[in-house]
Parts: sequence; structure tokens; C-alpha cells
Amino acid sequence: NAGVTQTPKFQVLKTGQSMTLQCAQDMNHEYMSWYRQDPGMGLRLIHYSVGAGITDQGEVPNGYNVSRSTTEDFPLRLLSAAPSQTSVYFCASRALGEQYFGPGTRLTVT
Amino acid sequence: AQTVTQSQPEMSVQEAETVTLSCTYDTSENNYYLFWYKQPPSRQMILVIRQEAYKQQNATENRFSVNFQKAAKSFSLKISDSQLGDTAMYFCASINYGQNFVFGPGTRLSVLP
Repeated sequence: NAGVTQTPKFQVLKTGQSMTLQCAQDMNHEYMSWYRQDPGMGLRLIHYSVGAGITDQGEVPNGYNVSRSTTEDFPLRLLSAAPSQTSVYFCASRALGEQYFGPGTRLTVT
Repeated sequence: AQTVTQSQPEMSVQEAETVTLSCTYDTSENNYYLFWYKQPPSRQMILVIRQEAYKQQNATENRFSVNFQKAAKSFSLKISDSQLGDTAMYFCASINYGQNFVFGPGTRLSVLP
């Protein structure tokens, strides 16, 4: 049972490049979400999904796209990377009142 | 909207001593959960303790316990017999039934030898 997996662990992008952060869970959870973590700001919700084919915006969605074609996978796409998107990104899945986090991706945009 | 506040950006405690981390939250709901998460230098988010709002009894997990004051909307975390491995960021979080998690800004705890 792998839980929530994320790839890559580290990534450096140049301004304007695009990329996809991968997230997968093997717990059959309907609810999945993406957060970004910045110093002094805790975790802020980017996008979330309550099931395959259903996604919605969180607190800070601008510059990011998501899709949910299967229960297991919830990729996060950066369309045109900006230095303001330098952050640590966490994917999570949820069941009842408990949330399970992936190991995080540290993204640097230069 | 839910909000979570942690007023202590940094704290330190001597090994084997007790420390309390503060958290206040704001919600208009009656049904909600409260959490403390630990984030060590490895970056992994680890659930420390969970409290259901309808339960009056304070949750405990080994050396970790909470003081849940529902009327005051306060949810502090007490760590007893602090260990070097407790050094981490600690995040308080809340979730209303059917809604999204909201996290506080975190408290960086250093346990000193």
C-alpha cells in the first residue's frame, strides 16, 4: 500500500516553461487536492476534486490546471511557470475526516 | 469562511520538558474536525492528533494531548517529555463537514538538548 505518491521530488523550471506534477493514490479515495506551501503561510489549497471528472478551484488556482480522469490520478499542470510559483507542492487524498499527504515536490522557477 | 490562527511563529523547549502550542480557529459550523500535523525536515506531513468537535473529551496520543475549548474556539497542543525528534513545524488545521481543510501558518518548534 503506497498511499499517496508524487513525482518529481524536485524540479527547476525557467520562467515560461510548462510542466505537470504527478499525483497518484491507491486508497480509492474520492477526494483529492493540491496545496502549495510557502513560508509563514501554511498550506493553501490550489485545486481539489471530489471524484473522477469533477474538479474545482481552491484558494489560489491562478496559473494551474487540473484534471481527474481516474480515481487514482490527479495531475497538476503549470501552464507558464512564473517565479511566484516557486514553492513546495503537496498532493493529498481524503477519507472521512482524515487527509493523507504525498511527500511533496519542491519547485523552483528561475 | 473558516480561518485558523497560530500566533507563535517559533518556539523552543528543553528536552524532557513540556511545551504548549496555541491555535485558534473561527467557524460558524457545529460539525467540524480539528487536527495537528507535524512536518519534520523531511517535509512529510504527519498527522499528530485529531479532535471531533462534538466530543467533549480532549484527544490524547501518547505524549501529545490537546486542550479543546469549543466556546473559545481554541485548540492547543501539549507535548510532554519533549524529544529531539519532536523538532518540526506544527500546523493546526480545521475542516467543516463536507468542506475543505484550512491550515494555520505553522509554529516552528525546536527541542534543545
